Formats: sequence, structure tokens, C-alpha cells
Amino acid sequence: AQSVTQLDSHVSVSEGTPVLLRCNYSSSYSPSLFWYVQHPNKGLQLLLKYTSAATLVKGINGFEAEFKKSETSFHLTKPSAHMSDAAEYFCVVTLYNNNDMRFGAGTRLTVKP
Amino acid sequence: DTAVSQTPKYLVTQMGNDKSIKCEQNLGHDTMYWYKQDSKKFLKIMFSYNNKELIINETVPNRFSPKSPDKAHLNLHINSLELGDSAVYFCASSHSGGTGELFFGEGSRLTVL
Repeated sequence: AQSVTQLDSHVSVSEGTPVLLRCNYSSSYSPSLFWYVQHPNKGLQLLLKYTSAATLVKGINGFEAEFKKSETSFHLTKPSAHMSDAAEYFCVVTLYNNNDMRFGAGTRLTVKP
Repeated sequence: DTAVSQTPKYLVTQMGNDKSIKCEQNLGHDTMYWYKQDSKKFLKIMFSYNNKELIINETVPNRFSPKSPDKAHLNLHINSLELGDSAVYFCASSHSGGTGELFFGEGSRLTVL
């Protein structure tokens, strides 16, 4: 069974419009959840993380995500897309402990001028 | 100062050869990982070491052998390379007592001809 599902493989937005990247998870434990960004030919960088504190998490570059336990979701949003946001985004969940983390399949964000 | 560094960044080799990828982290973390990213950007954990001990060993052919000489290093040796081994391999590290944030290297792109 898949532990984390990113509902869109590709999202395309215009510059200045809102971004929504969707992520649903399944975990038997209280999960920690993360969003990572990967720019072309680069390693992954942490955008934000949820670790059982505030359910609305703010990250770098204006991104934020809301943990909704009832919906088992952790969607990533940004009010206004910038060209530099074009990248691959990964939702990540811890399975049993913080040493065992599973990645979603990724969502490629394209930003049109 | 690079936190997680991998070498080489690019590796092109023939089928049947043996190759190694090295990884070093200077963050003082006690857990290190190898991930494989395929051409569709899917990231899959291969191995995880905590304080030089193997703690995660996913279903990976035994042609892949990780070695951790100390907790700052985790090398990956691959025997008898196959076409399907072509991918980007990412090393990462984390602090086991922390929130699980992973710090990634920039990746090593392996091409098997």
C-alpha cells in the first residue's frame, strides 16, 4: 500500500496566480510530513515540515501547507507563483520512525509567464 | 562548505563493470541514506545506516553493497552494472533524534551503456 500519494503528476500555473500541490498520506502512527523541492539537476531542499505542532506550517519562499488529519492531507500552497518556483515537488511521510521516510511520486510545477 | 557531498557527480560506464559512489557529510548526523531516482523522478530509498549500522535495506539486488566506514561516510558499491541501474543516486543524512529532516547531496548521475 502506498504511504503517500501526490494527486497530480504535473501542475501548470501562470506567474502571479496561486499554487496548489496536493498530497494525501496513510500512516499507522502520528506522522511527520514534509515537502521538498528539487530544481533541475539539483539535490532536494526542504520547503517545510509538520511534526505535530501547529497544523498550518509556513516554509521558505512563501510556501505553506496545512495538515488535515480528518482528510489525511498535507497540501502545499502559495498565493502567487514566481517563475523560480518551477521545479519538482515531493511530499514525504515518515512510516514508523523518523529514519524511515517515504516519498511521493512528485509533482512537476510549471510556471508560465 | 558543502554539507553532504557525493562523488562523482557523473558516471558513465559499460554494462558489467563495477563502480562506487562516495558520500560524506559534515553535519554531525548519525544517520545516512542512499536513494535512487529513476527517469520519472521517482525516489526510492535503498539503504539507511545509523551509526555505521544498517537499519533499512530495501529490496535491492545484492549487487549493491553499501559500506559505512564511519558515521560521516556512506559509500555505495555496485557490481556487474546493468542498464536498469542507470539513475541518479542521492545520498542524504539526518539526525536520528530530530524531526527527520533530510539533507541531500546533489546527486550522482549513473549512466550504464
